[in-house]
Amino acid sequence: AQSVTQLGSHVSVSEGALVLLRCNYSSSVPPYLFWYVQYPNQGLQLLLKYTSAATLVKGINGFEAEFKKSETSFHLTKPSAHMSDAAEYFCALLRPGNTPLVFGKGTRLSVIA
Amino acid sequence: DVKVTQSSRYLVKRTGEKVFLECVQDMDHENMFWYRQDPGLGLRLIYFSYDVKMKEKGDIPEGYSVSREKKERFSLILESASTNQTSMYLCASKTEGSGNQPQHFGDGTRLSIL
Repeated sequence: AQSVTQLGSHVSVSEGALVLLRCNYSSSVPPYLFWYVQYPNQGLQLLLKYTSAATLVKGINGFEAEFKKSETSFHLTKPSAHMSDAAEYFCALLRPGNTPLVFGKGTRLSVIA
Repeated sequence: DVKVTQSSRYLVKRTGEKVFLECVQDMDHENMFWYRQDPGLGLRLIYFSYDVKMKEKGDIPEGYSVSREKKERFSLILESASTNQTSMYLCASKTEGSGNQPQHFGDGTRLSIL
């Protein structure tokens, strides 16, 4: 069965520090992978997506993620955290075909001044 | 830009009431979804629909039903609301297209059942 595991329900970083949010997946077929961000009291907004064209994917707001098949990972990074990055982040998997996304449980990112 | 609109941001209802949550998308998307979001549990799929008048159960359909009479509108119905249905409800839509299209989300409805 396809699944997504996000390591760490809460991550706290200092402003200006590296952001690393971890996502591992399990899939019997090559998946499409997504990262979404949710700001307080809002819906989910697409940050970036992996569709097999390139293993390093750049998204909005300076975020990027690298697909590593050997590690079944798709970790999200940003070189320098900003206060406005404080939000909840969701990793999601989509199997080829017309199926719903499978979401991880989310990681709440706090940024400390 | 895709716009997914949920009719209410906040809603308060009483136990036993029949509750309707409405969702409308403006991009002629074939697929629509209803999720609920609870702390520590992430997003859980309630129902989804691939086309008008079609529906599929998600992971937690009990206590809910859906209606899709028109392509742009997908309604979630709580037949007899209970306190354990207090939650954030998120609607999403997606084009059928090629398989890697993302889902687009509304801003959510925070529902409280008293």
